[in-house]
Amino acid sequence: DQQVKQNSPSLSVQEGRISILNCDYTNSMFDYFLWYKKYPAEGPTFLISISSIKDKNEDGRFTVFLNKSAKHLSLHIVPSQPGDSAVYFCAASVDSNYQLIWGAGTKLIIKP
Amino acid sequence: DTGVSQDPRHKITKRGQNVTFRCDPISEHNRLYWYRQTLGQGPEFLTYFQNEAQLEKSRLLSDRFSAERPKGSFSTLEIQRTEQGDSAMYLCASTLIRLAGGHSYNEQFFGPGTRLTVL
Repeated sequence: DQQVKQNSPSLSVQEGRISILNCDYTNSMFDYFLWYKKYPAEGPTFLISISSIKDKNEDGRFTVFLNKSAKHLSLHIVPSQPGDSAVYFCAASVDSNYQLIWGAGTKLIIKP
Repeated sequence: DTGVSQDPRHKITKRGQNVTFRCDPISEHNRLYWYRQTLGQGPEFLTYFQNEAQLEKSRLLSDRFSAERPKGSFSTLEIQRTEQGDSAMYLCASTLIRLAGGHSYNEQFFGPGTRLTVL
């Protein structure tokens, strides 16, 4: 039973445009969500997070939106740059135990 | 470099051999996690430590797997009698649980991983 789902295995976006990565979850107990970026042969790198008490969090070019009623979150990257090409993982946790449950990832390709 | 480090980065072993991996977390972090990642999947939780105490173990962690964090600093993950299905990237992460506005925050910082290949 996949509690965190990233339904798009890959996404291709033109440089300078907006990249939108989506994530759905099933466990209504999740109250903390994170996005990580991963390059080949490296560990995941933390990008941005959001608590369930918020619906938006912004950090530079990265914005995460949370829609609790739809159990959906998205990561917006604008403008997209070639260095953003990587695999992006969505992860979620329940406050009480801090274990992160991960999606399968979306490979983002930024075309020059 | 004050990030999470893991050693070795790559390990090739024959089926049936024992292997041990090491993780050095960020020094002020009190929690340390071990994950396993296979191709095309996100990381899967294996176990975590709060200081030296192992607080939770996934059902993925069979009795061939053991993890320790003896002094609450570095951690080791040992796999005994390796099987081909153990081939994966083993990731370590650390975090300092912090509280703000009534919520706890748990940004986990990952090491580069140890890629295990069992022949």
